[in-house]
Amino acid sequence: EDQVTQSPEALRLQEGESSSLNCSYTVSGLRGLFWYRQDPGKGPEFLFTLYSAGEEKEKERLKATLTKKESFLHITAPKPEDSATYLCAVWMDSSYKLIFGSGTRLLVRP
Amino acid sequence: EPEVTQTPSHQVTQMGQEVILRCVPISNHLYFYWYRQILGQKVEFLVSFYNNEISEKSEIFDDQFSVERPDGSNFTLKIRSTKLEDSAMYFCASGTVGTGAGEQYFGPGTRLTVT
Repeated sequence: EDQVTQSPEALRLQEGESSSLNCSYTVSGLRGLFWYRQDPGKGPEFLFTLYSAGEEKEKERLKATLTKKESFLHITAPKPEDSATYLCAVWMDSSYKLIFGSGTRLLVRP
Repeated sequence: EPEVTQTPSHQVTQMGQEVILRCVPISNHLYFYWYRQILGQKVEFLVSFYNNEISEKSEIFDDQFSVERPDGSNFTLKIRSTKLEDSAMYFCASGTVGTGAGEQYFGPGTRLTVT
């Protein structure tokens, strides 16, 4: 069965304390892996798509990396405004749908 | 910056009633999607739509659900006879390509409450 697992479920950081979020997947035929940010009561906001192992993408304090079994979202020197739920989703061959993980709730304290 | 819009933001309905959720995708996008998120749970795929027909649907998307693109800008999700378990946030998404390389951009959602 195709699965996407995110860890940790929740993460509390002090402002400036760097860390990483993990997304592991077991799917047949990965076409792409997506990272989204979701604020409470809002829709997922697109951050990155990664297509092949070894690929990296950066946006401000965020950097996403991909291996054959997992992806990491690295947050460098986070600020309180980075507090949100970060969602990982996989896109498989011959399919239109995204399969989402449960997300990591990030809280950055000042 | 172009964005997906959805109306209404919140819909309250009684069990057994029909509801229509509306979405305006990003204007040059060709692929359209509906997802839902029950409170505290994962975002779940419902249906994808391309070239005026359903291209893929999930087990959740049964005969009570239908989608339509009635004109060049709107994309709708209809639930024929709502159930309590249909209560969720419903997200519309659009993208430039389907099985090629591409991203899906989500709207702000419609919170559906079935009483």
